[in-house]
Amino acid sequence: QSVLTQPPSVSGAPGQRVTISCTGSSSNIGAGYDVHWYQQLPGIAPKLLIYGNNNRPSGVPDRFSGSKSGTSPSLAITGLQAEDEADYYCQSYDNSLSGYVFGTGTKVTVL
Amino acid sequence: EVQLVESGGDLVQPGGSLRLSCSASVFTLSNYEMHWVRQAPGKGLEWLSYISSNGRSIYNADSVKGRFTISRDNAKNSLYLQMNSLRAEDTAVYYCARERGSYLYDAFDIWGQGTMVTVSS
Repeated sequence: QSVLTQPPSVSGAPGQRVTISCTGSSSNIGAGYDVHWYQQLPGIAPKLLIYGNNNRPSGVPDRFSGSKSGTSPSLAITGLQAEDEADYYCQSYDNSLSGYVFGTGTKVTVL
Repeated sequence: EVQLVESGGDLVQPGGSLRLSCSASVFTLSNYEMHWVRQAPGKGLEWLSYISSNGRSIYNADSVKGRFTISRDNAKNSLYLQMNSLRAEDTAVYYCARERGSYLYDAFDIWGQGTMVTVSS
């Protein structure tokens, strides 16, 4: 059961900008825990995309950016490309569950 | 290349047991906190278990408490997940993942390729 809520799907034309929200609560994102984002291509293990709310690991294109405002962090993809078609997950820590939590996941479709 | 490789996935009957292994390459496992995460067919990611770098602290998701046990053998550079009393709903791809470790509750920066566990009679 996911405690972080994401939109099931978002779509955009090549070159456009899309954003994915991740809604939490006072026991996770609202408590100040960092949010991380992962990209999962079909049939492949997840890949770290953004860590610590807005940091990109080496090798991740700067088209991907993360932001955190209050309890509503988001992932933005600018200059959408066909290869960006994938599932995206946010992740944080929840102190009431004493465990790590993932978002419900968002499927990005490039039109 | 820094990588994690899982093994041990199989078809098992309900109520049965299975032990998954995760082997680390190129990096020293003992320097990192580790996790198990699973993904049921067509579903999202579910965090299962955490183990500290020295193995002294363990946390589990409620869904597997009392049934799954995470452990590690740093001398063998390996992580394990002992799964008992398996249920049909445990059917999933199981991933081991490394936590970056730069600060508390950091991101998972290295993931294994996953190993499939199917629970069915």
